[in-house]
Amino acid sequence: NAGVMQNPRHLVRRRGQEARLRCSPMKGHSHVYWYRQLPEEGLKFMVYLQKENIIDESGMPKERFSAEFPKEGPSILRIQQVVRGDSAAYFCASSRLRYGEKLFFGSGTQLSVL
Amino acid sequence: AQTVTQSQPEMSVQEAETVTLSCTYDTSESNYYLFWYKQPPSRQMILVIRQEAYKQQNATENRFSVNFQKAAKSFSLKISDSQLGDTAMYFCAFMKHASADSNYQLIWGAGTKLIIKP
Repeated sequence: NAGVMQNPRHLVRRRGQEARLRCSPMKGHSHVYWYRQLPEEGLKFMVYLQKENIIDESGMPKERFSAEFPKEGPSILRIQQVVRGDSAAYFCASSRLRYGEKLFFGSGTQLSVL
Repeated sequence: AQTVTQSQPEMSVQEAETVTLSCTYDTSESNYYLFWYKQPPSRQMILVIRQEAYKQQNATENRFSVNFQKAAKSFSLKISDSQLGDTAMYFCAFMKHASADSNYQLIWGAGTKLIIKP
C-alpha cells in the first residue's frame, strides 16, 4: 500500500510563472489536506478537501492560490504568478475518516521561486 | 486560538543517551489530541507518538514516551537509548477532538532540531 505521493519533489519557477503541485492520497483515503512549511517553522494549514469538494480553505491566501481534488486523479495545489515569498515546502496529508486524527504525510514539494 | 510552543530550537546528545524535548500548548478545549512528528533530512513527516487528552496514561512507542501534564498543558517527548537515526527535526502538534469545529487542523510548534552524536 503506497503512502501519500507528492510530485514533483522539487519545483523551480521564475516570478510570474505558475506552479502546480500534485498529491495522490493513500489508497482508500478521500480526505486531503495541504500544509505549507516555511524555513525554521512548523507547518501551517492551508486547505482541506474531499473528493470534488473544498471543505475549508481558510488557511489559503485569497489570491493566486487554488486547490482541487477531482473525482479521478490527484489533488492539485495551484499557485499562479508565483512570487519569491511563495518559496516553501508544501506538504500534502490524507486520512481515511472525516474526523480522522491519523494523518499520513507525503514527502512534500520544495518550491523555489527565482 | 490554540498555540503550540517548543522552546528548544536545537539539542544535541551522545548516542545511547536519553533526551527529553519539551512542548507546551495553550487551549480552552478539554478534549484534544497531541502528537509528536519526526522530520528527518528526507523531509518525510513521520508520526512518532499520539496522546489523547482524556487518557491519563502516558503514551509509549518502544523507545519513545511522553510526559503529558494536562493541567500544566505540557507534552514532553522522551527518547531513550538514542540512535543516530533519531537525528531529525521534531515537531509537537495539537488537534481538536472530533466533535469540535475545525477539528482536522493540526496546529504545529516551530520544531526542535535533535542531533545524535556518535
